[in-house]
Amino acid sequence: LAKTTQPISMDSYEGQEVNITCSHNNIATNDYITWYQQFPSQGPRFIIQGYKTKVTNEVASLFIPADRKSSTLSLPRVSLSDTAVYYCLVGEGFSGGYNKLIFGAGTRLAVHP
Amino acid sequence: KAGVTQTPRYLIKTRGQQVTLSCSPISGHRSVSWYQQTPGQGLQFLFEYFSETQRNKGNFPGRFSGRQFSNSRSEMNVSTLELGDSALYLCASSLAGNTEYFGPGTRLTVT
Repeated sequence: LAKTTQPISMDSYEGQEVNITCSHNNIATNDYITWYQQFPSQGPRFIIQGYKTKVTNEVASLFIPADRKSSTLSLPRVSLSDTAVYYCLVGEGFSGGYNKLIFGAGTRLAVHP
Repeated sequence: KAGVTQTPRYLIKTRGQQVTLSCSPISGHRSVSWYQQTPGQGLQFLFEYFSETQRNKGNFPGRFSGRQFSNSRSEMNVSTLELGDSALYLCASSLAGNTEYFGPGTRLTVT
């Protein structure tokens, strides 16, 4: 399974755009990149998933360069409620021998007023 | 669509006892995974069930076991509880791929 590396913590202010970069040098051909958000004492919440280039939904954008060795989660105009831990994961899709996603330490984002 | 539900939400047990946690996946989801989360170790994968069969297993002792029923509901059992088993136990479901949807968790405290 590809190991991921992301910053331990980040600080931002309300209204700013936040970009969290994740490194996954050993990503495999079948691996997808998935980001989760977790608030204290709650289960992680799926944010976005992608394979290559750019993916956008109502919550965030995910930028993946051509070599797929890194990815960047972009949160537009953050608010105090975006203060959470963000996990970047890579893992294979279903293939009969499903390899589980391994959660790293995540990035603790603190949004200040 | 209703999300993943877990019961109970909070539990206090004594060392040496056993505990059973329950998880109901999102309707139509056939894969259920269990995770343990502690401040020191973070989120750790316990096991995954798909169509009533254990498909993947993490690196936990045999005291941790699980099962899945024909309606995809899953239970996790921990026997001979230890203080270090105090944690947030999370259940996640998915159709079959790698997009998992997590429940709120069960907070287990072992005294």
